[in-house]
Amino acid sequence: AQTVTQSQPEMSVQEAETVTLSCTYDTSESNYYLFWYKQPPSRQMILVIRQEAYKQQNATENRFSVNFQKAAKSFSLKISDSQLGDTAMYFCAFMSTGTASKLTFGTGTRLQVTL
Amino acid sequence: GAGVSQSPSNKVTEKGKDVELRCDPISGHTALYWYRQRLGQGLEFLIYFQGNSAPDKSGLPSDRFSAERTGESVSTLTIQRTQQEDSAVYLCASTWALLAYNEQFFGPGTRLTVL
Repeated sequence: AQTVTQSQPEMSVQEAETVTLSCTYDTSESNYYLFWYKQPPSRQMILVIRQEAYKQQNATENRFSVNFQKAAKSFSLKISDSQLGDTAMYFCAFMSTGTASKLTFGTGTRLQVTL
Repeated sequence: GAGVSQSPSNKVTEKGKDVELRCDPISGHTALYWYRQRLGQGLEFLIYFQGNSAPDKSGLPSDRFSAERTGESVSTLTIQRTQQEDSAVYLCASTWALLAYNEQFFGPGTRLTVL
């Protein structure tokens, strides 16, 4: 079974600064997908970024980028130029390509962006 | 078009009562998922449906939990004889096909409180 670990329950960053959220995972599979989801107070989960394990190039989406280290099973999220609207819970998630169904989530990191 | 919708938004019930939660997926999405999110935790997979195939019920925590979906339409999650431990937010997600890289679109969830 896969597990996803987020070791930072809470983080804080000032507006316009950069912050990195950590995520590690455990799997015996060689091909899979990794995701970062954002959950604002509205509860609606929103996909931030995704990474395919067979791609070595780190994914980027505007101010969001990942540092994917497959050998270390690490998948961190970097948010540049933080904005107040980035305040939310951030969840790292894993999905196997073999059974393309359920996402396995970490316990989340609560990010607070301050003025 | 409209996103994934769920009803009710909040549900308070007494221990031992049955509850039914509803999910309306995005039109055209063939795959539908249910997740449970306990307070301060990540999401736990419960069940998924893909078209007319047999659902994957591997995440259902007990036989008090059941779910139905007719074709590619509405799904209902039923919890019988509710217990206080069932208190959580229940999230529904849908996507076009059962492929790992497809983004799952989430609804706003139903917050269930069992007194």
